[in-house]
Amino acid sequence: KAGVTQTPRYLIKTRGQQVTLSCSPISGHRSVSWYQQTPGQGLQFLFEYFSETQRNKGNFPGRFSGRQFSNSRSEMNVSTLELGDSALYLCASSTPPTGGLYEQYFGPGTRLTVT
Amino acid sequence: AQSVTQLDSQVPVFEEAPVELRCNYSSSVSVYLFWYVQYPNQGLQLLLKYLSGSTLVKGINGFEAEFNKSQTSFHLRKPSVHISDTAEYFCAVTIRTGANNLFFGTGTRLTVIP
Repeated sequence: KAGVTQTPRYLIKTRGQQVTLSCSPISGHRSVSWYQQTPGQGLQFLFEYFSETQRNKGNFPGRFSGRQFSNSRSEMNVSTLELGDSALYLCASSTPPTGGLYEQYFGPGTRLTVT
Repeated sequence: AQSVTQLDSQVPVFEEAPVELRCNYSSSVSVYLFWYVQYPNQGLQLLLKYLSGSTLVKGINGFEAEFNKSQTSFHLRKPSVHISDTAEYFCAVTIRTGANNLFFGTGTRLTVIP
């Protein structure tokens, strides 16, 4: 099976702009989660989508949003970019749960730089 | 709320020496525990996970971890490291009620010295 793919891999934006990142999960995985990784804050959970619905959300401002399509592909959007949004954004797709456990498989990430 | 503490931000070790990366967690509910590895410019790869049962868990690439409930620890070990083990290692937890978000520690940078 192909792994989780994320596009683009690298992105440079200017403060105030908006950006959309894309994630294609492993075939058969219906849950997609997004994480932000920065040197200062580490890895933080943004949100999770399952069957086109946001099921769980981390503690991020409303400028961060996402959606999921019927084919399970997901996008996340960041509006009014700030310098602090510079980060590696990781997407993970999950297996159907076994005993309440979702096993997450991560993509390579999108490196966003805000100037 | 859950939290994960990785006590060592950097661990240098000579090739073929043993290594232990420490992880402690805090949670008011039962959790699942994980170790992930991140190589430069890549995403996270699952090394091993603790769900229940035997407290000693074996993972990929010769790594193992031991769950200690009384000390709320889940330390990662390898008896003999290789240059290729140089990477960032993250300990993570998720609660056992079907939630699908991971709480990560701040990571430990393992550097294997030839």
